[in-house]
Amino acid sequence: QMTQSPSSLSASVGDRVTITCQANRDMRTYLNWYQQTPGQAPKLLIYAASNLEAGVPSRFSGSGSGTDFTLTISSLQPEDFATYYCQQYDIVPVTFGQGTRLEIK
Amino acid sequence: QVQLQESGPRLVRPSGPLSLTCAVSGVSISSPNWWTWVRQSPEMGLEWIGEMHHNGNRNSNPSFDGRLTISLDKSKNVFSLKLTSVTAADTALYYCVSRRIDDVNPEAYFFDNWGPGTLVTVSS
Repeated sequence: QMTQSPSSLSASVGDRVTITCQANRDMRTYLNWYQQTPGQAPKLLIYAASNLEAGVPSRFSGSGSGTDFTLTISSLQPEDFATYYCQQYDIVPVTFGQGTRLEIK
Repeated sequence: QVQLQESGPRLVRPSGPLSLTCAVSGVSISSPNWWTWVRQSPEMGLEWIGEMHHNGNRNSNPSFDGRLTISLDKSKNVFSLKLTSVTAADTALYYCVSRRIDDVNPEAYFFDNWGPGTLVTVSS
């Protein structure tokens, strides 16, 4: 239901990065984004497509509605190299994207 | 600060039950949150299993129909997962998670607190 792209991405500190999540049906804005670092549980970044979770740096932003959603990191920091997941909650069962692994170039 | 911690057997025999408990601290399990189980494996990625509210309502992934029980113990502030008839495909990292509804937009919800996860292996 949710297709993330790219599946992996190499970038440098300071780069602007965009990750997309495409749904096969209208999800309205019922989409969240999470970050997962190795050995850790996922961490909420963005909820309802564009709302920044409290305590998350403002370099993270989300946009989109319907079938196409975007997570943008405006200026990559060393701690941002991780795997990112989108998650829809428009229909049950809740589902996650397959993940985008962001690596250091 | 809300904290969740999974506990339970790390090795489960095929065809047996998989049982996990999540201890919740920093918030009452009788709060408006939904108490959720998510698992992660290389084959399936992140997979939502199901959830329960303190009012008794439950939601679950149809993939687990007939095998899944989620329960709450308000006196101990814990919630539990029981999955029966397990196979190797149930080997995964299991997370207990709180699902919170947004204060401003009640149609928006998200998984805001996660336990560290516990790896459960199904093997003889």
